[in-house]
Amino acid sequence: QSALTQPASVSGSPGQSITISCTGTSSDVGGYNYVSWYQHHPGKAPRLMIYEVSNRPSGVSNRFSGSKSGNTASLTISGLQAEDEADYYCSSHTSSSTWVFGGGTKLTVL
Amino acid sequence: EVQLVESGGGLVKPGESLRLSCAASGFTFNSYTMNWVRQAPGKGLEWVSSISGSGSYISYADSVKGRFTISRDNAKNSLFLQMNSLRADDTAVYSCARAWRGGLMDAFDIWGQGTMVTVSS
Repeated sequence: QSALTQPASVSGSPGQSITISCTGTSSDVGGYNYVSWYQHHPGKAPRLMIYEVSNRPSGVSNRFSGSKSGNTASLTISGLQAEDEADYYCSSHTSSSTWVFGGGTKLTVL
Repeated sequence: EVQLVESGGGLVKPGESLRLSCAASGFTFNSYTMNWVRQAPGKGLEWVSSISGSGSYISYADSVKGRFTISRDNAKNSLFLQMNSLRADDTAVYSCARAWRGGLMDAFDIWGQGTMVTVSS
């Protein structure tokens, strides 16, 4: 179960948009629409931001959106705000009936 | 309020055992698949194990298979993780998390704050 591949860091200025990629294989990201994204502020519990590729739970801003193409999923955050600065993790269900996370991406709001 | 609270972490030596607990409140516990996720110091999130609401379906990450056992007591709204033959690379904060619609393939919507497990001689 290899971790999904995410960039270690991304950055953007307030008001800009950024995209975080998450690359897996046909046995996880590419094979299922059970891709989710989590926001994690250090010392706090992770927060579910996107489930099933592109769905937002109640209470999550519509500035957050998800998509998928082939074996790569993406999280886009538009209108960056200072409070968006956090670590972001993707996750996918797998053909082995397990879950795999990405290595995490640190978002810096400049 | 929907809440998950972990307990049972601590410092143990390599090869020893530890049992983690997760107390759930504010929702119908037996209707939800529950999960354990860990985060080693300075590392990312790693899924450890899942158990269905009835306890009839269980899965493990390869890294813990054969050493860790997940279980639940629905009468007591509690989730457990029995960890045997602990290794230094099991050192992490262990968190329990709820599957948001209760299903085995549902994302994790409620997380506890975690309990620290340190394996060191």
